[in-house]
Amino acid sequence: AQRVTQPEKLLSVFKGAPVELKCNYSYSGSPELFWYVQYSRQRLQLLLRHISRESIKGFTADLNKGETSFHLKKPFAQEEDSAMYYCALRGNSGYSTLTFGKGTMLLVSP
Amino acid sequence: DAMVIQNPRYQVTQFGKPVTLSCSQTLNHNVMYWYQQKSSQAPKLLFHYYDKDFNNEADTPDNFQSRRPNTSFCFLDIRSPGLGDAAMYLCATSRERSYEQYFGPGTRLTVT
Repeated sequence: AQRVTQPEKLLSVFKGAPVELKCNYSYSGSPELFWYVQYSRQRLQLLLRHISRESIKGFTADLNKGETSFHLKKPFAQEEDSAMYYCALRGNSGYSTLTFGKGTMLLVSP
Repeated sequence: DAMVIQNPRYQVTQFGKPVTLSCSQTLNHNVMYWYQQKSSQAPKLLFHYYDKDFNNEADTPDNFQSRRPNTSFCFLDIRSPGLGDAAMYLCATSRERSYEQYFGPGTRLTVT
């Protein structure tokens, strides 16, 4: 069974502070990990995926297989980063679909 | 703009009264998904279609059914809604299962 855990319901930081949104997963094979984001009154959308190894809107995430983690990081938070962030896992089978975590609300205050 | 559209955005139904939620896409994607999301919970996959091939999640209640009459449209039918079925229902599409999923705005279902 695959499972995604996001331990924090809410993360509140000040503008300019570093941000780390935690994500841990449980999967017996080699999963694919994603971060999806939902801004206020907008639809859920892909932020980044681990295989791309790219930075989107200043966010990065590294897959750590030893710790089974895929934490999302940004060195300097901006107010426009305030949103709901979901970590998601896809197994390595051709029929695999996404399993989402419960999400973390990030609030960036001025 | 190519997109995923869900109608209605808000739906109120009575306990036990069948209800249908609709989703359409202009992306011409092969895969369409239905998720249920309750308050403060993760989006939970109910089922998905790969083209006309229906794939049900093992723990999806029999009360939930789906139809995909063509590439563009997919429907979620709740045969006898209970109070516990009140939730946000999200439709998503992807070109292939391994590709990025594009989500609709969701339909919030209230059961009275």
